[in-house]
Amino acid sequence: DGGITQSPKYLFRKEGQNVTLSCEQNLNHDAMYWYRQDPGQGLRLIYYSQIVNDFQKGDIAEGYSVSREKKESFPLTVTSAQKNPTAFYLCASSSTTRSSTEAFFGQGTRLTVV
Amino acid sequence: ELKVEQNPLFLSMQEGKNYTIYCNYSTTSDRLYWYRQDPGKSLESLFVLLSNGAVKQEGRLMASLDTKARLSTLHITAAVHDLSATYFCAVDMKRYQLIWGAGTKLIIKP
Repeated sequence: DGGITQSPKYLFRKEGQNVTLSCEQNLNHDAMYWYRQDPGQGLRLIYYSQIVNDFQKGDIAEGYSVSREKKESFPLTVTSAQKNPTAFYLCASSSTTRSSTEAFFGQGTRLTVV
Repeated sequence: ELKVEQNPLFLSMQEGKNYTIYCNYSTTSDRLYWYRQDPGKSLESLFVLLSNGAVKQEGRLMASLDTKARLSTLHITAAVHDLSATYFCAVDMKRYQLIWGAGTKLIIKP
């Protein structure tokens, strides 16, 4: 089945630790996105990538890093510089054709600082 | 400024009633999307609206797009409890980057 897979579903981070969230898609989409969602809030864009080996900062990129070495994969690293990382993280992908830029989402990773 | 405004942000209603959620956006676009999110879950695509006057219906939900007014509506007919969720609209106003509304939390009471 085509789709987006995020892992792990739950992640616990100690203070000062870097953690990496995985996102893989087999939809052959060029664009991929990372969003952060805090309880009761909307989506905030962290990073996005429209093509392999290129990515752009979103609205809240500080304390995060990404890579896009393969079309299928867009991992997000939450660094120790991110002071309040507890949140729900959503990865999405979309086509970049003129017809539709509908975003398809993974199941999310819930990150908690312990 | 690229902005998408949803209203209301919170809606509590009785089963069987009709209501409309509004999504206004600030810059020309002819591509708008509606999503549903259940508590603790990811977002699920509901409707894809790709032209002025587009109307899509699925069960008790109907979405429409007026690009001249920069307005989309999500209409709920004879609401049932299963429709309780948070609904988001997103607009493609910036090349391949969707701009999101804040979401409308809908609670439908039996």
